[in-house]
Amino acid sequence: IRLTQSPSSLSASTGERVTITCRASQDINKYVAWFQQKPGTAPKLLIYDASTLQSGVPSRFSGSGSGTDFALTISSLQSEDFATYYCQQYYDFLLVTFGPGTKVDI
Amino acid sequence: VQLQQSGPGLLKPSQTLSLTCAISGDTVSSNIAAWSWIRQSPSRGLEWLGRTYYRSKWYHDYAISVRSRITINPDTSKNQFSLQLTSVTPDDTAVYFCAKSFDPTGSHPSLPGEIWGQGTMVTVSS
Repeated sequence: IRLTQSPSSLSASTGERVTITCRASQDINKYVAWFQQKPGTAPKLLIYDASTLQSGVPSRFSGSGSGTDFALTISSLQSEDFATYYCQQYYDFLLVTFGPGTKVDI
Repeated sequence: VQLQQSGPGLLKPSQTLSLTCAISGDTVSSNIAAWSWIRQSPSRGLEWLGRTYYRSKWYHDYAISVRSRITINPDTSKNQFSLQLTSVTPDDTAVYFCAKSFDPTGSHPSLPGEIWGQGTMVTVSS
């Protein structure tokens, strides 16, 4: 199951609303997660099951979608949100895959 | 919960990669957790390698791309789990992460990792 992300990179300012999309090559129901990764650190889980916010993650992050099209939205970009974001599908528990990433910078 | 990785960072081609992930604050034999290895490289991106989990017995799931070379084993006496990848090549050069997934119903071990180790850079070079 291949995942594509759009855009591959974007430049934004603090306070802006940002949306990143993830498209799957087949129907994966709701089984998508979103991760944030900063240089030199491990990925951090933000959202799972397409729209469920992981405990401790700020509410400005939200997820949506089902089937093949998914989105991560940051309602008001903060300075600490500049990072690379990855989607992951786990519909097939033997074939977990990640998207190529979207880099968000200033 | 914290995961602490250890293991060598430099290997020669054909050697076996061995990494360990020590668990604190949880138990490797938990019925509501799964324990995975993931790697990341510029050429492959993030790549899930496999997982182990206990549901009345031990299960091991492996990615097709490495299935012939990989073993993930739990060690209940030390509360840790390990990764072994045989016959490494330069293509296995990557940062390797261990991760824990919380599976509250015990029936969905593929849920995404909520706790990750610090990562280990492994370089394969002659």
